[in-house]
Amino acid sequence: RKEVEQDPGPFNVPEGATVAFNCTYSNSASQSFFWYRQDCRKEPKLLMSVYSSGNEDGRFTAQLNRASQYISLLIRDSKLSDSATYLCVVNRGANAGKSTFGDGTTLTVKP
Amino acid sequence: DVKVTQSSRYLVKRTGEKVFLECVQDMDHENMFWYRQDPGLGLRLIYFSYDVKMKEKGDIPEGYSVSREKKERFSLILESASTNQTSMYLCASSEAGGQPQHFGDGTRLSIL
Repeated sequence: RKEVEQDPGPFNVPEGATVAFNCTYSNSASQSFFWYRQDCRKEPKLLMSVYSSGNEDGRFTAQLNRASQYISLLIRDSKLSDSATYLCVVNRGANAGKSTFGDGTTLTVKP
Repeated sequence: DVKVTQSSRYLVKRTGEKVFLECVQDMDHENMFWYRQDPGLGLRLIYFSYDVKMKEKGDIPEGYSVSREKKERFSLILESASTNQTSMYLCASSEAGGQPQHFGDGTRLSIL
C-alpha cells in the first residue's frame, strides 16, 4: 500500500462545477499536509497548506481529518485555468522536512 | 518569493558521461531535495540534505550522488549516466520544521 494515495482521475468537469479530491495517508505520525498544483511539463507549485481546522483560499477549501487519515481539496466555481494535476503532500517525522507526494489527480475543466 | 534555480532546463548527455545538475536557492533554507519525475511513477526522492555537508539517501539513490558544500547550493551527480536516467529532475528547498517545499523549474535530462 502506498504511503499517500490519490484517485488519479481524470476528473472532467464543466466550467462552474464544484469538484472535490481526496487523499489518504497511512502514517499516523504525519505532521503537516499540503496541496500542490502541477501544470503539464512544469514544476509543482504550492497551492495551499492544510490545517486541522480547515482552511479556505478563495474558491479553494482544504480539510484534514486526522482520525480517518485523509485530506481533501474542494474547488468551487471551476475555471478553465484550474485544469492541472493536483498533488497531495504529507510530511512525516520530527524534522518533517521529508515529504511524500501522492501521484496526483488530474482535473480537466471544459467550457 | 522563494527562488530555486536549476542550472539547465534541457540537457542531453551520452551514456557513461559524468553529469552534474546544479541547484541554488536564495532563501537561506536548511533543507534541499532532489527528485526525479517519470510518467506514471510520480515524484521520487533521490537524495536530500538538512544542512551543509550533510546528505541522506532518498528512495532511489542508486547511480546518483550529491554534494552540499554551501547552504544555498545542492548538486546532483550522475556518476556514469545510463539511458534509464533519462527523466525530469526537480530540485526543491524548504525551511526546517515541516514547511512546504519550493521547486525549481526542472531539468529535462536525456541520456543517449
